[in-house]
Amino acid sequence: GNSVTQMEGPVTLSEEAFLTINCTYTATGYPSLFWYVQYPGEGLQLLLKATKADDKGSNKGFEATYRKETTSFHLEKGSVQVSDSAVYFCALSTSNYQLIWGAGTKLIIKP
Amino acid sequence: DGGITQSPKYLFRKEGQNVTLSCEQNLNHDAMYWYRQDPGQGLRLIYYSQIVNDFQKGDIAEGYSVSREKKESFPLTVTSAQKNPTAFYLCASSIGGEPTDTQYFGPGTRLTVL
Repeated sequence: GNSVTQMEGPVTLSEEAFLTINCTYTATGYPSLFWYVQYPGEGLQLLLKATKADDKGSNKGFEATYRKETTSFHLEKGSVQVSDSAVYFCALSTSNYQLIWGAGTKLIIKP
Repeated sequence: DGGITQSPKYLFRKEGQNVTLSCEQNLNHDAMYWYRQDPGQGLRLIYYSQIVNDFQKGDIAEGYSVSREKKESFPLTVTSAQKNPTAFYLCASSIGGEPTDTQYFGPGTRLTVL
């Protein structure tokens, strides 16, 4: 079946460090891939998405590239800020109305 | 501003009581969803609706019910049959149901059963 695996958190970094949060997936067909972010006590916001292989999604300095050969969609940012502290969710969709979610990775940025 | 509103933000319920969570959207989206979020876990789909007067069970529909009488509104009732209802509930909507469509989320309702 379809599934998403994210690296376990929490991930703790200092401000201005480089960030990578790993996401790998198992899916039949050609899924769309998403990264959502959840700030404390809030709902989820779409951070970026990619809908076909080799697409790169980007937003707010974050990037992720859809790698079909490695079934991955790793999230990266070159220089994190304290305000990036949140929980990040990777998700995929292969069929209508269905999103498959990873467990989330909590990111803590220290000043 | 277009968006999704959920109310209340916090809700407390006694065991054995039904409770209804509100979700309203003014994005003119056809599809709406209810998810449950538990600590350290991803989201789990409770119900979704493709159009008015139609809805489908998700992965964990037992103990929940929904209605979709208006395009803008998709209330969720947590019944007394739900064995472990304490959780964070998220409503979402999307323009359609294609795999490429983005789901937009409300701020959530935190339900606590006393």
